[in-house]
Order: sequence, then C-alpha cells, then structure tokens
Amino acid sequence: GAVVSQHPSWVICKSGTSVKIECRSLDFQATTMFWYRQFPKQSLMLMATSNEGSKATYEQGVEKDKFLINHASLTLSTLTVTSAHPEDSSFYICSSSEDRGQAKNIQYFGAGTRLSVL
Amino acid sequence: SQKIEQNSEALNIQEGKTATLTCNYTNYSPAYLQWYRQDPGRGPVFLLLIRENEKEKRKERLKVTFDTTLKQSLFHITASQPADSATYLCALDSGGGFKTIFGAGTRLFVKA
Repeated sequence: GAVVSQHPSWVICKSGTSVKIECRSLDFQATTMFWYRQFPKQSLMLMATSNEGSKATYEQGVEKDKFLINHASLTLSTLTVTSAHPEDSSFYICSSSEDRGQAKNIQYFGAGTRLSVL
Repeated sequence: SQKIEQNSEALNIQEGKTATLTCNYTNYSPAYLQWYRQDPGRGPVFLLLIRENEKEKRKERLKVTFDTTLKQSLFHITASQPADSATYLCALDSGGGFKTIFGAGTRLFVKA
C-alpha cells in the first residue's frame, strides 16, 4: 500500500515558539492531504484539508492563522503550529489517499507527531 | 446530530476466541465504511472497506458486516492473538464522499 512519512515523531518546544510538521507521500502523488488532531482516548478530529497548489480548507473552530498549512507539491504538505501554547499539546497525524479508483477512499496515515509545549 | 459510536469500554478476550466490535452511526448515509487499527502513539492503519451495497467482507481472519438499515457495522477477528491487541477505529464518509469521519475507537486486549 501507499506510504506516508511524517516527521518529526516527537517534538518538545517552549511556549510561544512555532513548530513545523512535515507529511510526505513517498510512493504516490497526493493532491489532497488531511491533518488530524487526536487527544488521548478520543477520536481523530479533522483539522483541515490540504490541497496542492491552493489554500487549505479548515474545519469549523480551527484557527487558520494558528495552524498554517502549505501544500506546495504533490508529495509534501506541512503544518506549522504558530506561537504554540500548552493547550496545543496533542498528537497530530496526517493522511492522504491515492487519486485512483477505489483506492481514493482509503486513507494512509503518517506515524503521527507528539507535540508537547512547555 | 451526527454521531459515530463505538464501545468506549475496552474489550478483553482470551486468545483463540473471536473478538466482535460494534460501530453504530446516526444521521449519516455513508457510501462506504472502513475499519482501521491504531497502536499506541502511531497513526491508524487501514484494514477493510465495505460499501453500502455489500453485506459482508472478509480478509484473512477479519470479517466486516454492514447493515444500512440498522446503521451498524460489526468487525470480527477470529482466532484472536495477543498481537491483535490495539484500538480499532470505525470510519465512514461524510456523505459527500470526500471527508472521512472517525469513531473514537474500541480498545481490544487479547490475553494469552
């Protein structure tokens, strides 16, 4: 199946700093990538849909100036948490799907990034 | 309101038995439903997809059923093994077929 690489896997930062998370599709082109946030024992919450070459679509309640998304190529999307605060500490996961046939319904996830803001 | 419900309590079973996990949904009309496995601190991994016109799907020791009348999917793992211990997520398309909505998952523990 398709492979999505996400890094870093774990980051600790001071309050007020910005953190960039990368998501790469390694063996397929990803027109669309999705960014999720997950709190312990809770569901994956979709934050935004990243579209190659255009602006991301954010879910209701997600601050687009806080969570900057860039999808500059068909294999790379980045999420930048700007001016991070302790409440931004969470597990962030990206996913994508292949743009062909039935495979477009299946999501391939990165390994996730554990963000801890001190 | 729209909801996807999975049993929040962990399921504990003995090795060799069949594990059955339930996913119920309300106010959705999904064209397909998916099951994923998630290990602690990792991203989910796709297991199976079943379409609305399919009643049952199998893959090795896994079986999924989809009842659009009951608005329910059952996920079975036969001959369960300790390595099957993980959280299993149910997911369905939001209707437009573009976004996937996930349940909170059910944690499965298989004891040797």
